Amino acid sequence: DTEVTQTPKHLVMGMTNKKSLKCEQHMGHRAMYWYKQKAKKPPELMFVYSYEKLSINESVPSRFSPECPNSSLLNLHLHALQPEDSALYLCASSQEQHRASTGELFFGEGSRLTVL
Amino acid sequence: ELKVEQNPLFLSMQEGKNYTIYCNYSTTSDRLYWYRQDPGKSLESLFVLLSNGAVKQEGRLMASLDTKARLSTLHITAAVHDLSATYFCAVIFQGGSEKLVFGKGTKLTVNP
Repeated sequence: DTEVTQTPKHLVMGMTNKKSLKCEQHMGHRAMYWYKQKAKKPPELMFVYSYEKLSINESVPSRFSPECPNSSLLNLHLHALQPEDSALYLCASSQEQHRASTGELFFGEGSRLTVL
Repeated sequence: ELKVEQNPLFLSMQEGKNYTIYCNYSTTSDRLYWYRQDPGKSLESLFVLLSNGAVKQEGRLMASLDTKARLSTLHITAAVHDLSATYFCAVIFQGGSEKLVFGKGTKLTVNP
């Protein structure tokens, strides 16, 4: 199983809503990532979890709240988002956080978020 | 500042032709990755280059890494329409915070 599974694939929410994006991998990877990708731009790193602990937070606004309940799951809780937060949110995983392995990231299909 | 620069950013080529995409990066790294992204889709890992002089080939694509020149190339041989996509290189910087930094991407269109 070499898949990273993300749900939902599409999400439309209002600025006052609370929603969550979910990500799951069963490759035994110990590092998981959230990236944000705007149209025609490269992915931008948001958060990194290594061994279920938050290791990198790229100064992301607090309206985005990550959670790693266990080594296979990664959530991104969304609250009071702005229209400019509309983007493709990509989850990825790797064996370890880069240095101890090839560092190859495996990406999920993404969750396309639209904030109205 | 950590920078990863790709060129060209847009590439339109005829089927059957050869071309090279370049990826330059600003500081020392020993790990470079190439990804492919189709419109509206996720990123697919193409190549992992882990040492100076590394060369990898898959089908019509060949990637190489020169860590001294801080340069990677993605060479396309006898392009076919199915190769149309956006190609990203990404680099992990030595001594850095273990972040993967992406180039802006090269949008490749292969015309019949």
